[in-house]
Amino acid sequence: QVQLQQSGPGLVKPSQTLSLTCVISGDSVSSNSAAWNWIRQSPSRGLEWLGRTYYRSKWYNDYAVSVQSRVTINPDTSKNQFSLQLSSVTLEDTAVYYCARGGNEGFDYWGQGTLVTVSS
Amino acid sequence: DIQMTQSPSSLSASVGDRVTITCRASQRISSYLSWYQQKPGKAPKLLIFATSSLQRGVPSRFSGSGSGTDFALTISSLQPEDFATYYCQQSFSTSFTFGPGTKVDFK
Repeated sequence: QVQLQQSGPGLVKPSQTLSLTCVISGDSVSSNSAAWNWIRQSPSRGLEWLGRTYYRSKWYNDYAVSVQSRVTINPDTSKNQFSLQLSSVTLEDTAVYYCARGGNEGFDYWGQGTLVTVSS
Repeated sequence: DIQMTQSPSSLSASVGDRVTITCRASQRISSYLSWYQQKPGKAPKLLIFATSSLQRGVPSRFSGSGSGTDFALTISSLQPEDFATYYCQQSFSTSFTFGPGTKVDFK
């Protein structure tokens, strides 16, 4: 049974960097068949895919155009986890952030969600 | 990005009703369409992938259909646990996008 456990601060100041981590159990971040994603949800923007990391003999990343200049998703094979960093946050980045496994066949496993509020 | 729209945005129904939600993509997406159910305070749950493939453990009263740009999710006989918000999502383009959601509530 795959489980994703998220952690990270719930409050970030404007212009700072949002950082979240997702620990994987029951699968491997280095799997050759899985991809590891970050998705956020807010009343104003709905569900928004932010990006993914995956391993196919080497590491790849894909990012949403809307956040491409500010987002980094990194795998950590030693801890079987992956992380999200979103720089230069504004109030618009306030949302519930989810990690999720999946890709072309949908997102089948999700983390519990983390409400991140951007406020001074 | 491929834009996804859904209709209706909300609907009221009764237990036992047949419910259909439609989803339209701004360009052809082949069969790369998934459906999710979300309840308040919870992460979305994958119901259907590849337009019509039922995710393991999802009741058979849920079904999906469509191709190209127009898709539908049907619940054949609405159950009390089905009152929730439903989202479609395309995976044809790597910049995955979701529909705005359809809220199903009690009539």
